Amino acid sequence: EPEVTQTPSHQVTQMGQEVILRCVPISNHLYFYWYRQILGQKVEFLVSFYNNEISEKSEIFDDQFSVERPDGSNFTLKIRSTKLEDSAMYFCASISARVYRPGNTIYFGEGSWLTVV
Amino acid sequence: AQSVTQLGSHVSVSEGALVLLRCNYSSSVPPYLFWYVQYPNQGLQLLLKYTTGATLVKGINGFEAEFKKSETSFHLTKPSAHMSDAAEYFCAVSENSGNTPLVFGKGTRLSVIA
Repeated sequence: EPEVTQTPSHQVTQMGQEVILRCVPISNHLYFYWYRQILGQKVEFLVSFYNNEISEKSEIFDDQFSVERPDGSNFTLKIRSTKLEDSAMYFCASISARVYRPGNTIYFGEGSWLTVV
Repeated sequence: AQSVTQLGSHVSVSEGALVLLRCNYSSSVPPYLFWYVQYPNQGLQLLLKYTTGATLVKGINGFEAEFKKSETSFHLTKPSAHMSDAAEYFCAVSENSGNTPLVFGKGTRLSVIA
């Protein structure tokens, strides 16, 4: 069964460093997402991406975050200057629909644990 | 804004016992409701979802959930727990506008004791 894959599975970085988390969505999917879960807290929406641009973002997704689909298969989340509070599990997700509907099934990756020290 | 509350961050049941994981939501419009499961070292996997129609929804691995509008609940149940059910379970609700697809609860970790 096709799946969303994410790398790295775990990354430790020093505060202030740049981090890039990578995702390969399911090949025929059109909508892409990043979510994160800080330990012990809710899974939170960060950003959605469609047709090579951000379609919606949360207030968490500030100027230090950016997303890119550099080569038609990868979907990346960049954190420019990491802070301690960025430590979390980051989930990439995708859906196949051309037009988003609330009942669409979203397919998630395994997540990337980011630890900022 | 919609929100989800999962009662109990950790639930422990004996193998063969009933599993009940609670989820309540708030929404001003009819919601779409989901349960996702995360097994150790794996991604979030859809267990089941309610969109419209029958309020009792059956999912994978013997799980089911019932949408009760009057109680604003979508509790997840399984008649008989298996060791392989040990995982983190997330309830989520879909907003009905924009492209923010899912609002999640905090998750409930299910442990199954032999």
